[in-house]
Amino acid sequence: EADIYQTPRYLVIGTGKKITLECSQTMGHDKMYWYQQDPGMELHLIHYSYGVNSTEKGDLSSESTVSRIRTEHFPLTLESARPSHTSQYLCASSDGRGAKNIQYFGAGTRLSVL
Amino acid sequence: KNQVEQSPQSLIILEGKNCTLQCNYTVSPFSNLRWYKQDTGRGPVSLTIMTFSENTKSNGRYTATLDADTKQSSLHITASQLSDSASYICVVSDRGSTLGRLYFGRGTQLTVWP
Repeated sequence: EADIYQTPRYLVIGTGKKITLECSQTMGHDKMYWYQQDPGMELHLIHYSYGVNSTEKGDLSSESTVSRIRTEHFPLTLESARPSHTSQYLCASSDGRGAKNIQYFGAGTRLSVL
Repeated sequence: KNQVEQSPQSLIILEGKNCTLQCNYTVSPFSNLRWYKQDTGRGPVSLTIMTFSENTKSNGRYTATLDADTKQSSLHITASQLSDSASYICVVSDRGSTLGRLYFGRGTQLTVWP
């Protein structure tokens, strides 16, 4: 069982609101990731972090931002939500060691912007 | 372009039957291939992971095979159960970066009927 938690699980908000999706892991992993997944589609990497004070943009362009002030915490923020941001957001972490570098995923946040 | 293609897109089988899911990839340079199970509304959970030198890997009723020459993998599920109903995602990692970038397939949606 992976110790990685996302809150909230579901969020319905109006256009223009600022939101923060929380992600925390208790495994001491250095690497953390945010993915976006639409129904029936593959996961797309939108942000990742190698460790504290490290953040990078992923393959899919996103208007969201992230921060990594503590090892265990990797929140994602949308300053002004739009209907196009409606999607499922998955957070993951890994210890980054070895060739296998297994990523452990949280349960996800399903965001709906009206 | 690095890609991961899965087939079939969806599959319905009766409880107790076996099934095989396919994955073809073009990711290079190849590091490892993993199969994840994703229940509806949840994050993916790792089932198996195979490096270049591993041809087969089992996890209970799940058996994955890898042919690195033809860049193909399969996931065989034996004696299916209702709880096997989920999306099965093939994920390939490259070794061309320190991040160990993951490339996700769109998944095969498996439904097991009683």
